Amino acid sequence: GAGVSQSPSNKVTEKGKDVELRCDPISGHTALYWYRQSLGQGLEFLIYFQGNSAPDKSGLPSDRFSAERTGGSVSTLTIQRTQQEDSAVYLCASSLTGLAGGEGQFFGPGTRLTVL
Amino acid sequence: AQSVAQPEDQVNVAEGNPLTVKCTYSVSGNPYLFWYVQYPNRGLQFLLKYITGDNLVKGSYGFEAEFNKSQTSFHLKKPSALVSDSALYFCAVRDEAGGYNKLIFGAGTRLAVHP
Repeated sequence: GAGVSQSPSNKVTEKGKDVELRCDPISGHTALYWYRQSLGQGLEFLIYFQGNSAPDKSGLPSDRFSAERTGGSVSTLTIQRTQQEDSAVYLCASSLTGLAGGEGQFFGPGTRLTVL
Repeated sequence: AQSVAQPEDQVNVAEGNPLTVKCTYSVSGNPYLFWYVQYPNRGLQFLLKYITGDNLVKGSYGFEAEFNKSQTSFHLKKPSALVSDSALYFCAVRDEAGGYNKLIFGAGTRLAVHP
């Protein structure tokens, strides 16, 4: 596609439920990133995928968070047993490569997660 | 550790006036610096980047940024602000420790351009 797409755009769930957020990166981009943007906060790095390499999970806030990327393209971020503090906008980004060449990342519109 | 700071939570500018959104950084080596903009209910959009070369970098929508190594700053500027420039602006620096394009973002600055 022309840009990074994410679904759903909005998700309301009850505390304790599991949620899955989807990201479709730009075609041909090998690097994919997930960030979290909480109300009034900056962007918090969650996880990074590069090709078939092991992902960098250093930003995941707890073991309730996990992500996978199938076939080097689509990625799913899963949050288990959601808590109210998980409420945020979850942003996905992709870049052509993950190498330290300094190219910018291209972001999707985000999924707004609300945990009641 | 690499870090980036945006000292202003909000900047207010009258339409037609020049605008500056401030950013300072801290890195151990050569910085790779970025500016992104987030319009309401939309994802972040890449504006411009500095890797090397000229200190004045030109980007999208008439924005430019000036890299100042001695002051460790990368302020975003525009000669004449538009109401449509009102948005949330993020400065970012590449995390060298990651060895890849992992970005560390500032907290963001909300720009309000008044008619």
